[in-house]
Amino acid sequence: DGGITQSPKYLFRKEGQNVTLSCEQNLNHDAMYWYRQDPGQGLRLIYYSQIVNDFQKGDIAEGYSVSREKKESFPLTVTSAQKNPTAFYLCASRRQGKGQPQHFGDGTRLSIL
Amino acid sequence: ELKVEQNPLFLSMQEGKNYTIYCNYSTTSDRLYWYRQDPGKSLESLFVLLSNGAVKQEGRLMASLDTKARLSTLHITAAVHDLSATYFCAVPKSYNTDKLIFGTGTRLQVFP
Repeated sequence: DGGITQSPKYLFRKEGQNVTLSCEQNLNHDAMYWYRQDPGQGLRLIYYSQIVNDFQKGDIAEGYSVSREKKESFPLTVTSAQKNPTAFYLCASRRQGKGQPQHFGDGTRLSIL
Repeated sequence: ELKVEQNPLFLSMQEGKNYTIYCNYSTTSDRLYWYRQDPGKSLESLFVLLSNGAVKQEGRLMASLDTKARLSTLHITAAVHDLSATYFCAVPKSYNTDKLIFGTGTRLQVFP
């Protein structure tokens, strides 16, 4: 079945540590996105990529980094510079074309140890 | 800066009743998206509204878009417990972009 797979489902970070969240899609979508969701709030865009080897900062990119070496994969690294990383992280992808909705993975819940 | 506001933020309603969730946005947009999120889960796309006056219906949910008023509504008809979830609207940050700004969500609880 086609879809978006995020792993791990739960992740714990020690202070000063970088951690990487995985996002893989087999929908053949060109565009991919990373969002952060804090309790009781909407989603905020961290980074997005519309094509392989290219990506742009979203509204809250500080303390995060991404890569897009393959169309299927868009990993997010939460660096030690992100002082408040505890949140629910959602990856999404989208087919080209006006009005196409973004499709979301099941999310990764990151907490600080 | 684009702002997307939903109201109410929380809605508790009895099964069988009707209600409307409102989504207001602060700049012009030609598209609006509605999503559903169950607790601790991912977001599911419900509706894509592409033009002024657009109306879409799926089961007990009906969404509409008024681009002149910068307003979208999500109407719930004869609510059932399975509709309990958080509903988000989202608007592109500007024309020709798919960077979305999400509302804060409306948490709906339907009780017997």
